[in-house]
Amino acid sequence: AQSVTQLGSHVSVSEGALVLLRCNYSSSVPPYLFWYVQYPNQGLQLLLKYTSAATLVKGINGFEAEFKKSETSFHLTKPSAHMSDAAEYFCAVSATYNTDKLIFGTGTRLQVFP
Amino acid sequence: GAVVSQHPSRVICKSGTSVKIECRSLDFQATTMFWYRQFPKQSLMLMATSNEGSKATYEQGVEKDKFLINHASLTLSTLTVTSAHPEDSSFYICSARGLRGRDEQYFGPGTRLTVT
Repeated sequence: AQSVTQLGSHVSVSEGALVLLRCNYSSSVPPYLFWYVQYPNQGLQLLLKYTSAATLVKGINGFEAEFKKSETSFHLTKPSAHMSDAAEYFCAVSATYNTDKLIFGTGTRLQVFP
Repeated sequence: GAVVSQHPSRVICKSGTSVKIECRSLDFQATTMFWYRQFPKQSLMLMATSNEGSKATYEQGVEKDKFLINHASLTLSTLTVTSAHPEDSSFYICSARGLRGRDEQYFGPGTRLTVT
């Protein structure tokens, strides 16, 4: 069985500040991990994914995430927040590379203040 | 990039009626489409997976006779909520995956269903 937990349903940062969105996973098999972003009235967009290659994964829009097996974590970070980063972020886990069965976290809403 | 649309974006229907939601891949052919349901402040929950030309595979606990899924072409899948009840009110999201099995899922913008 697989699951993900996103700590903090809301995160607020100032523009230019570090963004840290937390995701912990549980998986009985080596996981594939994903971060998606959802802007208002739009579909989910893939930010980045971990597929057992490099543990530090770089994605679009300056985001990156580090897979830490010892901590069962896959936290999303960005060094400097932009106003345009305000959105809902979802962490997801899959047992397979082709994302047949994505298990999503409950999401974290990121607010960026000027 | 790959674009998936959903129609309608919002729908209100009376209890006991049926409502159809369309999911279209606009610029690619999708062999597999997925239907999710999202309750407020909760995760997206996979309801079913459909492959073009075959019957959908439903997740445990999802009533296949209530949530009818049709994937008649490589660009269109439909979800019909039959005999809708207020507890069916939710946000329904579809996604589509391309012809190559290793492609990622591309998500639609969702449909807000309210049953009165």
